[in-house]
Amino acid sequence: EVQLVESGGGLVQPGRSLRLSCAASGFTFDDYAMHWVRQAPGKGLEWVSGISWNSGSIGYADSVKGRFTISRDNAKNSLYLQMNSLRAEDTALYYCAKDRLWSGVGAFDIWGQGTMVTVSS
Amino acid sequence: DIQLTQSPSFLSASVGDRVTITCRASQGISSYLAWYQQKPGKAPKLLIYAASTLQSGVPSRFSGSGSGTEFTLTISSLQPEDFATYYCQQLNSYPPLTFGGGTKVEIK
Repeated sequence: EVQLVESGGGLVQPGRSLRLSCAASGFTFDDYAMHWVRQAPGKGLEWVSGISWNSGSIGYADSVKGRFTISRDNAKNSLYLQMNSLRAEDTALYYCAKDRLWSGVGAFDIWGQGTMVTVSS
Repeated sequence: DIQLTQSPSFLSASVGDRVTITCRASQGISSYLAWYQQKPGKAPKLLIYAASTLQSGVPSRFSGSGSGTEFTLTISSLQPEDFATYYCQQLNSYPPLTFGGGTKVEIK
């Protein structure tokens, strides 16, 4: 079964860090680009970051550039999001999503169930 | 950055109705557009990519059309399981890969 399982969310104080993980199974992980998408409570979808199959192409939303770092370990079939200098506006459900293509512009055909990040003092 | 504007933001319809949702891009994106369906408490589901290509397993009552700056998602005969929020996404200009604001389809 094709599956993405996120972990690492939780309650964190403003200014602190958190690392999200996404474990992939059921497909050849290193054939595809991967992304993080977030959704604040009651709001729409916001693309956060994406990484190509070989980590050669990486992109970030302006709202997280310089604070968040995406990475992947193809040997472990895993995607990561290191989030530093967290702000209240980063509070959201964070989804891991698989791209249809290796490059990162193919639409997202598989999604995890999300991990909640709450930034509050 | 490319902005996507969906209309309407809210739609009330009955089972069996034909429903059309529009997504307008702030600049031309060729056919690099996808549509997603999201039900409450669930992850989004890919319906259509490349503006008009139906994702495997998606019912044929869903269709997409358009190119350039104007796109539509049509549900030919609305079913009870189709009541959800729908999002468009542009994949032409990366980064970022922007989403539209969403269209919530509710039961009349």
